[in-house]
Amino acid sequence: GAGVSQSPSNKVTEKGKDVELRCDPISGHTALYWYRQSLGQGLEFLIYFQGNSAPDKSGLPSDRFSAERTGGSVSTLTIQRTQQEDSAVYLCASSLALNSGAYEQYFGPGTRLTVT
Amino acid sequence: GNSVTQMEGPVTLSEEAFLTINCTYTATGYPSLFWYVQYPGEGLQLLLKATKADDKGSNKGFEATYRKETTSFHLEKGSVQVSDSAVYFCALSDLTGGGNKLTFGTGTQLKVEL
Repeated sequence: GAGVSQSPSNKVTEKGKDVELRCDPISGHTALYWYRQSLGQGLEFLIYFQGNSAPDKSGLPSDRFSAERTGGSVSTLTIQRTQQEDSAVYLCASSLALNSGAYEQYFGPGTRLTVT
Repeated sequence: GNSVTQMEGPVTLSEEAFLTINCTYTATGYPSLFWYVQYPGEGLQLLLKATKADDKGSNKGFEATYRKETTSFHLEKGSVQVSDSAVYFCALSDLTGGGNKLTFGTGTQLKVEL
């Protein structure tokens, strides 16, 4: 079946602009995660959605970052007023529900964001 | 909080050499442990996992054993191939604090040469 897909694959934006990154999880996966992979910080958790529960936003680095998940499926990560330090690869992952015991997260190919 | 420490890279080996990549962790609860691999130009893929103490995860000739007493999950392979060249990430998932977010190590780059 189809894996996790992300768009765009690459995004170049000017400092100060807003960007939206999209993630389509694997069908039937109720949990969705965003991570960031950067040279200086490695792989960092950003935000997590599980079904209809309130998202875990504990990893968002600033209030310029937000994410939503519509209809329990597609998710959009928005970065407002981008800064150069936001340049990174943004990874999305999805998994089955927690209490199923299936902890494996499947990752998308990522969106490479470059802020100039 | 949770953290994962893995050996610095890059690690350069000759084909058919034995591989060990060390990984230790700190967790507030009882975590599940994972090794993810990122091949050049590709996304992260789960390589193997273990969910309780003394479990051994294995895949593609790689193995790692969940050692609670030493809080370790070292990755091993008896005979590496050029195709194993990639970046390897050790990670943990701890449900104690709620959620299933992964905490990653910094990654170890492996280069296998002929």
